[in-house]
Amino acid sequence: KNQVEQSPQSLIILEGKNCTLQCNYTVSPFSNLRWYKQDTGRGPVSLTIMTFSENTKSNGRYTATLDADTKQSSLHITASQLSDSASYICVVSAKVPGGGADGLTFGKGTHLIIQP
Amino acid sequence: DAGVIQSPRHEVTEMGQEVTLRCKPISGHNSLFWYRQTMMRGLELLIYFNNNVPIDDSGMPEDRFSAKMPNASFSTLKIQPSEPRDSAVYFCASKGRSWETQYFGPGTRLLVL
Repeated sequence: KNQVEQSPQSLIILEGKNCTLQCNYTVSPFSNLRWYKQDTGRGPVSLTIMTFSENTKSNGRYTATLDADTKQSSLHITASQLSDSASYICVVSAKVPGGGADGLTFGKGTHLIIQP
Repeated sequence: DAGVIQSPRHEVTEMGQEVTLRCKPISGHNSLFWYRQTMMRGLELLIYFNNNVPIDDSGMPEDRFSAKMPNASFSTLKIQPSEPRDSAVYFCASKGRSWETQYFGPGTRLLVL
């Protein structure tokens, strides 16, 4: 069964600090992996997307890494800001429908709180 | 572009009542998705349409749930009769080509008393 596990479930850090969120998946055959940011009360917004051949991708202070061999991804946030407080959802896509339509399997997210 | 539009943003209803959620996808997108999100289960795909045709409704929990897409610019998700366990945030998302990312609407927060 295709699964996506995220850790930690929640995280609290001080403004200005760095943090790393983890995503482990068992989706196969792998197509791509996305990180979404979901602000409270709003829909998820895509941050990065990586295919099998990509090891890292950056979007401003967000840097995602992918190790397709170990089936792990991380999202690193540098110099955190209060506006980074949100849930971060890892979504993995299979080349054939596995986790549902479009082959997408969603993690339950990491709830990140940035404290001033 | 206004993005994906959902209405209502909030809905409070009593058990047994019919609930209709509405979605307008981004113009030009040909795939539309309905999701449900709860704290316990995270995001769950309910159904998706491609070119207005339902492709996969395996995520629809029960016969109480139904979805329609009469044209490319409008879709509804109906719950009849509603139950307290249906309380959740319901998201609509749309996308263009198959490799593109999905764009989510703001969601409808449903509370069934």
